[in-house]
Amino acid sequence: NAGVTQTPKFRVLKTGQSMTLLCAQDMNHEYMYWYRQDPGMGLRLIHYSVGEGTTAKGEVPDGYNVSRLKKQNFLLGLESAAPSQTSVYFCASSYKTVNTEAFFGQGTRLTVV
Amino acid sequence: AQSVTQPDIHITVSEGASLELRCNYSYGATPYLFWYVQSPGQGLQLLLKYFSGDTLVQGIKGFEAEFKRSQSSFNLRKPSVHWSDAAEYFCAVGENKFYFGSGTKLNVKP
Repeated sequence: NAGVTQTPKFRVLKTGQSMTLLCAQDMNHEYMYWYRQDPGMGLRLIHYSVGEGTTAKGEVPDGYNVSRLKKQNFLLGLESAAPSQTSVYFCASSYKTVNTEAFFGQGTRLTVV
Repeated sequence: AQSVTQPDIHITVSEGASLELRCNYSYGATPYLFWYVQSPGQGLQLLLKYFSGDTLVQGIKGFEAEFKRSQSSFNLRKPSVHWSDAAEYFCAVGENKFYFGSGTKLNVKP
């Protein structure tokens, strides 16, 4: 059972470069999320999606874009990376019923130099 | 506004001692509450969850948590800590959008 898979696991970018993080889930979940984790700040929601073709902003969306062209995939893009985007990024997914938890991927450690 | 507060950043306990990690939440509706654990370099694993009913919920690895509506709290407990419990613990609240606390790092002394 793969669950939630994130690629890549590690990446180093130069300031101004762009990249896309891929999240794939095989649980047929409707909802998908991108979080960033920074020391002492827990996990903060960047963007989320309640279904194929729909996305919405979370708590810290600036500097990021997302797309959900297929139900199983949720892409997070950084158009022009900044050092402040150095973080660990987690993708998660859940069923659309309210009484459900989020299932997490293993994370992507991104460093912007 | 929804928010979760974990007042303890670091906690150190001796192996075999009891553990309580605190969590307070602010949520407009009936809260759905969660505790997750994160080992170094890993993703988050669900320990337990509360949706309704019995306010004392049992989870994996011998953990339990008690929901107290009057105190807006959902504290995590374990009667006897093992060295393998050393990790970071996150409390979360939400329904389809999840809000996390800043985490509590648990160290276990031999």
